[in-house]
Amino acid sequence: EVQLVEWGGDLVQPGGSQRLSCVASGFIFSNSWMTWVRQAPGKGLEWVANIREDGNEESYVDSVKGRFTISRDNARNLVYLQMNSLRVEDTAVYYCARGRGTPDYWGQGTLVTVSS
Amino acid sequence: DIVLTQSPATLSLSPGERATLSCRASQSVAHFLAWYQQKPGQAPRLLVYDTSHRATGIPARFSGSGSGTDFTLFISSLEPEDFAIYYCQQRAYWPFTFGPGTKVDVK
Repeated sequence: EVQLVEWGGDLVQPGGSQRLSCVASGFIFSNSWMTWVRQAPGKGLEWVANIREDGNEESYVDSVKGRFTISRDNARNLVYLQMNSLRVEDTAVYYCARGRGTPDYWGQGTLVTVSS
Repeated sequence: DIVLTQSPATLSLSPGERATLSCRASQSVAHFLAWYQQKPGQAPRLLVYDTSHRATGIPARFSGSGSGTDFTLFISSLEPEDFAIYYCQQRAYWPFTFGPGTKVDVK
C-alpha cells in the first residue's frame, strides 16, 4: 500500500524558516518524481515544487522560487521542503504527493501557519 | 501561466442525478488534463488523468472527455460519497496549475 506521511508544519513568524519532511512507503521511491502542493485555508490547490527521481532536477512555482528548496534522500525514502523567508501568504496545508505532472498518491498534509 | 476556469462554481444536485462539470483552459493543454476530488479535511484524490483515463480504483460512473481547451467530467449517477469539491489540473506547461474547483452539493 502506497503511503505518504508529512510532518514539520508549525506556527512560524514572518521571515522565519521551516523544513517539511515526507516519508514514503509501498513503492520504489527512487523511481518516482515527488511533488509538494499547498492549499491555503478555505482556498484552492497550488503547485509548489517538483523533484526528479535522482534529485538532479527541480522546478518551482514563481511565488516560492529563491525561498523554498525541494530535496530528497532516496536511501531513506524522504522528500523535504526547506522554506525560508516565510510570508503570511505561505500559510497553507502542504501536501506531499507522488508523481510529476499528475500526482496519484497524496499524504494527509501538514499545516504551516505564518503569523506574528 | 495556464489559467483553468471551472464552471459552475457550485452544482446542487440530488443523489442519483447526473453531474456535468466543465473546465476551460486559457490555451490548449492538448489532452494533459486531470480531475481530482477533495472532501473536507482530506487530501485530493486523483479521479481521471490525461482527459479520460480513470485512475486506479475509481468507479466507472466517473468519466472525462475533451481536448485542447475544453474538458468535462461526468458523474453518471451521484452517490452520497460523491458530494465534494472537484478540481481540474493541467500538466502541459510549467507551472502546472489547478482550476478553482466546482463544489457539488446536495440539493
